[in-house]
Amino acid sequence: GAGVSQTPSNKVTEKGKYVELRCDPISGHTALYWYRQSLGQGPEFLIYFQGTGAADDSGLPNDRFFAVRPEGSVSTLKIQRTERGDSAVYLCASSFLAGVGTDTQYFGPGTRLTVL
Amino acid sequence: AQRVTQPEKLLSVFKGAPVELKCNYSYSGSPELFWYVQYSRQRLQLLLRHISRESIKGFTADLNKGETSFHLKKPFAQEEDSAMYYCALRNTGGFKTIFGAGTRLFVKA
Repeated sequence: GAGVSQTPSNKVTEKGKYVELRCDPISGHTALYWYRQSLGQGPEFLIYFQGTGAADDSGLPNDRFFAVRPEGSVSTLKIQRTERGDSAVYLCASSFLAGVGTDTQYFGPGTRLTVL
Repeated sequence: AQRVTQPEKLLSVFKGAPVELKCNYSYSGSPELFWYVQYSRQRLQLLLRHISRESIKGFTADLNKGETSFHLKKPFAQEEDSAMYYCALRNTGGFKTIFGAGTRLFVKA
Protein backbone atom coordinates (compact mmCIF):
# COMPACT_ATOMS: atom_id res chain seq x y z
CA GLY A 1 0.00 0.00 0.00
CA ALA A 2 0.94 3.64 -0.24
CA GLY A 3 3.24 4.97 2.40
CA VAL A 4 3.50 8.45 3.85
CA SER A 5 3.95 11.03 1.12
CA GLN A 6 5.26 14.57 1.39
CA THR A 7 5.14 17.42 -1.07
CA PRO A 8 7.10 19.15 -2.35
CA SER A 9 10.22 17.04 -2.21
CA ASN A 10 12.33 20.17 -2.48
CA LYS A 11 11.50 23.77 -1.76
CA VAL A 12 13.77 26.73 -2.29
CA THR A 13 12.58 30.05 -0.99
CA GLU A 14 13.91 33.45 -0.09
CA LYS A 15 14.38 34.77 3.39
CA GLY A 16 11.18 36.32 4.66
CA LYS A 17 8.82 34.30 2.49
CA TYR A 18 6.00 32.01 3.61
CA VAL A 19 6.07 28.27 2.89
CA GLU A 20 3.71 25.36 3.30
CA LEU A 21 4.80 21.75 3.50
CA ARG A 22 2.27 18.98 3.04
CA CYS A 23 2.07 15.50 4.51
CA ASP A 24 -0.28 12.70 3.46
CA PRO A 25 -0.24 9.98 6.11
CA ILE A 26 -1.01 6.33 5.64
CA SER A 27 -4.76 5.85 5.39
CA GLY A 28 -6.29 5.06 8.76
CA HIS A 29 -3.37 6.33 10.81
CA THR A 30 -4.67 8.58 13.55
CA ALA A 31 -1.34 9.87 14.78
CA LEU A 32 0.84 12.23 12.76
CA TYR A 33 4.21 13.69 13.63
CA TRP A 34 6.41 16.41 12.18
CA TYR A 35 10.17 16.44 12.66
CA ARG A 36 12.96 18.70 11.48
CA GLN A 37 16.33 17.27 10.59
CA SER A 38 19.26 19.61 10.24
CA LEU A 39 22.48 18.57 8.57
CA GLY A 40 24.40 16.08 10.67
CA GLN A 41 21.66 15.75 13.27
CA GLY A 42 18.92 13.32 14.05
CA PRO A 43 15.26 14.19 13.58
CA GLU A 44 14.00 16.77 16.06
CA PHE A 45 10.39 16.51 17.22
CA LEU A 46 8.20 19.47 16.28
CA ILE A 47 4.54 18.56 16.77
CA TYR A 48 2.24 15.60 17.19
CA PHE A 49 -1.40 15.27 16.14
CA GLN A 50 -3.91 12.76 17.40
CA GLY A 51 -6.78 13.08 14.96
CA THR A 52 -7.41 16.72 14.20
CA GLY A 53 -5.92 18.19 17.33
CA ALA A 54 -2.34 19.05 18.11
CA ALA A 55 -1.72 16.99 21.23
CA ASP A 56 1.80 18.32 21.69
CA ASP A 57 3.34 21.27 19.87
CA SER A 58 6.16 21.78 22.34
CA GLY A 59 8.80 21.21 19.69
CA LEU A 60 7.79 24.10 17.45
CA PRO A 61 10.74 26.49 17.72
CA ASN A 62 8.75 29.75 17.70
CA ASP A 63 5.49 31.31 16.60
CA ARG A 64 6.57 31.46 12.97
CA PHE A 65 5.85 27.73 12.80
CA PHE A 66 2.32 26.41 12.74
CA ALA A 67 0.74 23.12 11.67
CA VAL A 68 -2.80 22.03 10.97
CA ARG A 69 -4.65 18.80 10.31
CA PRO A 70 -8.24 19.95 9.78
CA GLU A 71 -9.82 16.65 8.78
CA GLY A 72 -7.59 14.29 10.70
CA SER A 73 -5.72 13.13 7.63
CA VAL A 74 -3.54 15.48 5.57
CA SER A 75 -1.39 17.89 7.54
CA THR A 76 0.28 21.12 6.53
CA LEU A 77 3.28 22.64 8.24
CA LYS A 78 3.38 26.37 7.75
CA ILE A 79 6.41 28.58 8.22
CA GLN A 80 6.10 32.35 8.15
CA ARG A 81 8.89 34.84 7.52
CA THR A 82 11.38 32.11 6.78
CA GLU A 83 14.94 32.47 7.99
CA ARG A 84 18.12 30.85 6.73
CA GLY A 85 18.23 28.80 9.92
CA ASP A 86 14.98 27.13 8.92
CA SER A 87 16.82 25.27 6.16
CA ALA A 88 16.52 21.57 6.90
CA VAL A 89 14.74 18.39 5.89
CA TYR A 90 11.23 18.31 7.30
CA LEU A 91 10.02 14.79 7.99
CA CYS A 92 6.49 13.60 8.55
CA ALA A 93 5.55 10.29 10.14
CA SER A 94 2.27 8.59 10.91
CA SER A 95 1.22 5.70 13.11
CA PHE A 96 -1.93 3.75 13.73
CA LEU A 97 -2.12 4.28 17.45
CA ALA A 98 0.27 6.54 19.27
CA GLY A 99 1.85 5.71 22.56
CA VAL A 100 1.21 2.00 22.51
CA GLY A 101 4.16 -0.34 23.00
CA THR A 102 3.94 -1.90 19.58
CA ASP A 103 3.01 1.29 17.75
CA THR A 104 5.30 2.00 14.78
CA GLN A 105 5.97 5.34 13.14
CA TYR A 106 6.23 5.26 9.34
CA PHE A 107 8.22 8.08 7.84
CA GLY A 108 7.80 9.99 4.65
CA PRO A 109 10.64 10.88 2.29
CA GLY A 110 10.90 14.39 3.67
CA THR A 111 10.83 17.88 2.19
CA ARG A 112 14.18 19.58 1.83
CA LEU A 113 13.68 23.27 2.55
CA THR A 114 16.37 25.72 1.53
CA VAL A 115 16.05 29.36 2.55
CA LEU A 116 18.34 31.64 0.59
CA ALA B 1 17.06 16.70 30.51
CA GLN B 2 16.10 14.05 28.02
CA ARG B 3 18.97 13.22 25.75
CA VAL B 4 20.21 10.48 23.45
CA THR B 5 23.93 10.32 22.80
CA GLN B 6 25.56 8.40 19.99
CA PRO B 7 29.28 9.00 20.49
CA GLU B 8 30.41 7.77 17.09
CA LYS B 9 29.52 9.70 13.96
CA LEU B 10 31.18 7.11 11.75
CA LEU B 11 31.94 3.45 12.29
CA SER B 12 33.82 1.45 9.70
CA VAL B 13 34.21 -2.34 9.93
CA PHE B 14 35.12 -5.16 7.61
CA LYS B 15 32.53 -7.60 6.34
CA GLY B 16 32.17 -10.49 8.76
CA ALA B 17 33.47 -8.53 11.73
CA PRO B 18 31.33 -7.84 14.80
CA VAL B 19 29.79 -4.42 15.07
CA GLU B 20 28.50 -2.43 18.03
CA LEU B 21 26.85 0.95 17.69
CA LYS B 22 26.77 2.75 20.99
CA CYS B 23 23.82 4.61 22.45
CA ASN B 24 23.50 6.22 25.86
CA TYR B 25 20.51 8.07 27.14
CA SER B 26 19.42 10.30 29.98
CA TYR B 27 15.78 10.24 30.95
CA SER B 28 13.99 10.64 34.26
CA GLY B 29 11.03 8.39 33.57
CA SER B 30 10.60 4.96 32.06
CA PRO B 31 11.59 5.19 28.43
CA GLU B 32 11.02 3.03 25.43
CA LEU B 33 14.17 2.68 23.35
CA PHE B 34 14.38 2.23 19.61
CA TRP B 35 16.86 1.87 16.81
CA TYR B 36 15.98 3.37 13.44
CA VAL B 37 17.89 2.84 10.20
CA GLN B 38 18.11 4.82 7.00
CA TYR B 39 19.62 3.07 4.01
CA SER B 40 20.96 5.07 1.10
CA ARG B 41 18.14 6.86 -0.75
CA GLN B 42 15.50 5.23 1.45
CA ARG B 43 13.24 6.48 4.21
CA LEU B 44 13.93 6.36 7.87
CA GLN B 45 12.47 3.13 9.26
CA LEU B 46 12.20 1.33 12.55
CA LEU B 47 14.78 -1.42 13.01
CA LEU B 48 13.92 -2.68 16.46
CA ARG B 49 12.52 -1.67 19.86
CA HIS B 50 13.66 -2.84 23.26
CA ILE B 51 10.31 -4.08 24.50
CA SER B 52 10.03 -6.58 21.68
CA ARG B 53 13.36 -8.20 22.53
CA GLU B 54 13.67 -9.16 18.90
CA SER B 55 16.51 -9.77 16.50
CA ILE B 56 16.07 -8.01 13.19
CA LYS B 57 18.48 -8.63 10.30
CA GLY B 58 20.82 -10.19 12.84
CA PHE B 59 20.86 -7.06 15.02
CA THR B 60 20.04 -7.11 18.72
CA ALA B 61 20.01 -4.43 21.38
CA ASP B 62 19.79 -4.82 25.14
CA LEU B 63 18.54 -2.10 27.40
CA ASN B 64 20.90 -1.62 30.34
CA LYS B 65 19.14 0.63 32.80
CA GLY B 66 22.10 0.72 35.15
CA GLU B 67 24.39 2.09 32.48
CA THR B 68 21.54 3.87 30.66
CA SER B 69 22.67 2.31 27.42
CA PHE B 70 21.02 0.62 24.47
CA HIS B 71 23.85 -0.50 22.24
CA LEU B 72 23.10 -2.14 18.89
CA LYS B 73 25.08 -5.26 18.07
CA LYS B 74 25.56 -7.70 15.26
CA PRO B 75 28.07 -10.56 15.37
CA PHE B 76 28.90 -10.59 11.66
CA ALA B 77 28.45 -7.39 9.67
CA GLN B 78 27.31 -7.54 6.05
CA GLU B 79 27.88 -4.97 3.31
CA GLU B 80 24.13 -4.37 3.11
CA ASP B 81 24.20 -3.18 6.73
CA SER B 82 25.92 0.01 5.60
CA ALA B 83 23.49 2.78 6.56
CA MET B 84 22.77 5.56 9.00
CA TYR B 85 21.57 4.34 12.39
CA TYR B 86 19.67 6.43 14.90
CA CYS B 87 18.98 5.57 18.51
CA ALA B 88 15.79 7.06 19.91
CA LEU B 89 13.69 7.14 23.03
CA ARG B 90 10.19 8.11 24.07
CA ASN B 91 8.27 8.01 27.29
CA THR B 92 6.45 4.72 27.84
CA GLY B 93 2.94 5.23 26.53
CA GLY B 94 3.95 8.60 25.13
CA PHE B 95 4.48 9.97 21.69
CA LYS B 96 7.35 12.49 21.69
CA THR B 97 10.40 10.72 20.29
CA ILE B 98 13.91 12.02 20.88
CA PHE B 99 16.61 10.97 18.43
CA GLY B 100 20.35 10.82 18.69
CA ALA B 101 22.57 12.43 16.08
CA GLY B 102 23.14 9.12 14.34
CA THR B 103 26.05 6.86 13.48
CA ARG B 104 27.00 6.08 9.92
CA LEU B 105 28.02 2.44 9.60
CA PHE B 106 30.23 1.53 6.69
CA VAL B 107 30.91 -2.16 6.09
CA LYS B 108 33.89 -2.74 3.87
CA ALA B 109 34.25 -5.77 1.61
